[in-house]
Amino acid sequence: AQSVAQPEDQVNVAEGNPLTVKCTYSVSGNPYLFWYVQYPNRGLQFLLKYITGDNLVKGSYGFEAEFNKSQTSFHLKKPSALVSDSALYFCAVRDGGGGFKTIFGAGTRLFVKA
Amino acid sequence: DAMVIQNPRYQVTQFGKPVTLSCSQTLNHNVMYWYQQKSSQAPKLLFHYYDKDFNNEADTPDNFQSRRPNTSFCFLDIRSPGLGDAAMYLCATSKAGTANSPLHFGNGTRLTVT
Repeated sequence: AQSVAQPEDQVNVAEGNPLTVKCTYSVSGNPYLFWYVQYPNRGLQFLLKYITGDNLVKGSYGFEAEFNKSQTSFHLKKPSALVSDSALYFCAVRDGGGGFKTIFGAGTRLFVKA
Repeated sequence: DAMVIQNPRYQVTQFGKPVTLSCSQTLNHNVMYWYQQKSSQAPKLLFHYYDKDFNNEADTPDNFQSRRPNTSFCFLDIRSPGLGDAAMYLCATSKAGTANSPLHFGNGTRLTVT
């Protein structure tokens, strides 16, 4: 069974500093991994997805994610945080066996302080 | 712009009074989903349609039903809402055929049950 864990409920970072939001996964096959962001009272927005063979994936708004197969991790990163990056971030895994179910992590709230 | 639109954004209903939430999409995606999200928790999949093929999650209460009259529209019916059904309801779409096709979300309908 697929699962995904986000070990931090909240991450605080100062504007201009690098940020990392952690995610680890468990899958029984090829991992199909995603990051989504949610702003207050809005739906989730797709940020980026893992593509087989690329350990560093670039996405929207300057975000990137580092895939590490040995550590089963897919951490979200950004070199320089903005106050406007403050939001709720979800890591997600899709059933790679032809199913359509996406399983979300519990979410990590990012606060970027000016 | 192609998008997923949910109406209304806010819905108030009385305990036990049936309510219908609407979703439309201009993306022409085969797959449409309904998620329930409580208090910034992880979205929980209720069911999805692959074209006209309905797929219910095993733990979705019978109180929740769905209709998809055509490719563009999908409805969530709650037959007898309880206080515990107050939540944000998110509609999403994706392309069929590739497991790394991301979800495209609407902005959700926040349901209040009085």
